[in-house]
Amino acid sequence: DAGVIQSPRHEVTEMGQEVTLRCKPISGHDYLFWYRQTMMRGLELLIYFNNNVPIDDSGMPEDRFSAKMPNASFSTLKIQPSEPRDSAVYFCASSLSGGGIQYFGAGTRLSVL
Amino acid sequence: GDSVTQMEGPVTLSEEAFLTINCTYTATGYPSLFWYVQYPGEGLQLLLKATKADDKGSNKGFEATYRKETTSFHLEKGSVQVSDSAVYFCALSFNFGNEKLTFGTGTRLTIIP
Repeated sequence: DAGVIQSPRHEVTEMGQEVTLRCKPISGHDYLFWYRQTMMRGLELLIYFNNNVPIDDSGMPEDRFSAKMPNASFSTLKIQPSEPRDSAVYFCASSLSGGGIQYFGAGTRLSVL
Repeated sequence: GDSVTQMEGPVTLSEEAFLTINCTYTATGYPSLFWYVQYPGEGLQLLLKATKADDKGSNKGFEATYRKETTSFHLEKGSVQVSDSAVYFCALSFNFGNEKLTFGTGTRLTIIP
């Protein structure tokens, strides 16, 4: 298995632009998680899905952030409009229920200028 | 709520030194406990886990024992290598219906030759 695949690996954009991050989970996994990692705030859980349904989005910082999972093999995290304080590494992870182990992608490093 | 407290970093050791990174948790019930490792430029990956009291997880020379009486899961390695330089995260989860991981803040470890 190729593992969790995230794209792009790096994204540089200007303030006010829309940013879309993409994630393909491991086939057969039924949980998908989006995290944000910064030096100041560490690793933060933004939202997670079970069987494509959002379960907990309490970590989403504000309405500028949205996440979707249209099917079991694809999810997006969108920021519109982006701001410099959104600069971070965003990770996607997936897991199989009952296993407790999350598998992380390599991350997307976002820089908002 | 559930929480994980781990040793503040950064930690710097010489090669072949003994390593301990402390981790304690607060939780209602009996969670599974994990250590994840993040190498530079990569996502987190599972290092080891333990699912019940007195279980010992081990991998790559690292060990941690689930101590219910002290609510601890300290990470140890007898002889560290330069390649062990990374950030280490302690985490807990309750499986079967709630796959969310609660992470500690991470401990940055640097091994010098």
